[in-house]
Amino acid sequence: SYELTQPPSVSVSPGQTARITCSGDALPIQYAHWYQQKPGQAPILVIYKDSERPSGIPERFSGSSSGTTGTLTITGVQAEDEADYYCQSADRSGTSGVFGGGTKLTVL
Amino acid sequence: QVQLVESGGGVVQPARSLRLSCTVSGFTFSHYAMHWVRQAPGKELEWVAIISSDGSDQHYADSVKGRFTISRDNSKNTVSLRISSLRAEDTADYYCARDGGLAVANGDFYFDYWGQGTRVTVSS
Repeated sequence: SYELTQPPSVSVSPGQTARITCSGDALPIQYAHWYQQKPGQAPILVIYKDSERPSGIPERFSGSSSGTTGTLTITGVQAEDEADYYCQSADRSGTSGVFGGGTKLTVL
Repeated sequence: QVQLVESGGGVVQPARSLRLSCTVSGFTFSHYAMHWVRQAPGKELEWVAIISSDGSDQHYADSVKGRFTISRDNSKNTVSLRISSLRAEDTADYYCARDGGLAVANGDFYFDYWGQGTRVTVSS
């Protein structure tokens, strides 16, 4: 089955830039999407279609994709950004969804 | 505003069946494909199933194929998930989620609105 690979954890100090990567063989032909999940809460979409930001999501969240890797970038990280982040995409056929294993962002 | 409210979770014995429901409001339900996503305790998110906007097409994760059935009633703004032959590994929070593609019948496969989830615990 198709898999997306994320680093288990990323740590940054407040005000620094956090980058979370997501690798998958189908990413050259399928979009990467990103979700933030805080403990006990439902996920929230923060980036869709590689680099689009939903309304209400702060500008410090951005996304990019190149080849088989998508990247979520948080510029000027704030304490409130501490959360689990999941990338998500579809398989090559576009009929099955897949999530990465999640990355725990720790703000030091 | 867009709202999705799941119901139907609880503690269920192995091998039994369960039906989860998700009632939505705040948008034209029949214009969107809908998904179910689950998350086992302490684990990552897992996509489960999608149903097209008109209900004519469904797709499932390999891990649930044959035991899960997704359906919808556009007259009642409701999407459901029937789970049969429940197993311990089905224990999870189950979320319904709206596909982000407006008027994309078979979905754009991203999730722009989520419910708060309903917990299913499979235990004897």
